[in-house]
Amino acid sequence: QVQLVQSGAEVKKPGASVKVSCEASGYSFTRYAIHWVRQAPGQRLEWMGWINTGDGRTKYSQKFQGRVTITRDSRASTAYIEVRRLTSEDTAVYFCARSRPTVTLFEYWGQGTLVTVSS
Amino acid sequence: DIQMTQSPSTLSASIGDRVTITCRASQSISGWLAWYQQKPGKAPKLLISEASSLESGVPSRFSGSGYGTEFTLTISSLQPDDFATYYCQQYNSYLYTFGQGTKLEIK
Repeated sequence: QVQLVQSGAEVKKPGASVKVSCEASGYSFTRYAIHWVRQAPGQRLEWMGWINTGDGRTKYSQKFQGRVTITRDSRASTAYIEVRRLTSEDTAVYFCARSRPTVTLFEYWGQGTLVTVSS
Repeated sequence: DIQMTQSPSTLSASIGDRVTITCRASQSISGWLAWYQQKPGKAPKLLISEASSLESGVPSRFSGSGYGTEFTLTISSLQPDDFATYYCQQYNSYLYTFGQGTKLEIK
């Protein structure tokens, strides 16, 4: 069955960077895009960006452009998101999600990774 | 960016009730709308795609309708497992946006 397993919770200081991983199994990794969606406490879900796992092309929400990088390691069937210059407003649960081939809705989700930014 | 607005933000209901949640888009998204259910501490679960297509394994008491800018999610007879937060999401255009959520509580 399709599974997306994310790395564990992180605590970071303001100004630091964090990198969260998302390991996929149960399907052909390079056939489906991986997206990253975050949810700050009590807030709505917020789409951050996605990666074409086949060729590595990425697209980001303008809000995160220049501060976020999404990559993948096809051999490890793993996608990553790195967020730099963290502030307290980046405290959130970060989810990876697999979309369908032709439409950007999120069929399978990772369990979420809590990133806490605190001095 | 397309803004998605759900109403109500909170809904109190009893087991067996029929409930409806509304989602409005700031511009037409045709039928490119999904509904998700999220329980505390869990990832969202996809319930409905293309406004009205029920995902495999989702109980038939859930239904969706709408087109353009106004959409609804209806639960015909609430069950204990349905108390959760529901989000709509548009996928008509880049910057895939979600509604603010509707928390369904037990009355």
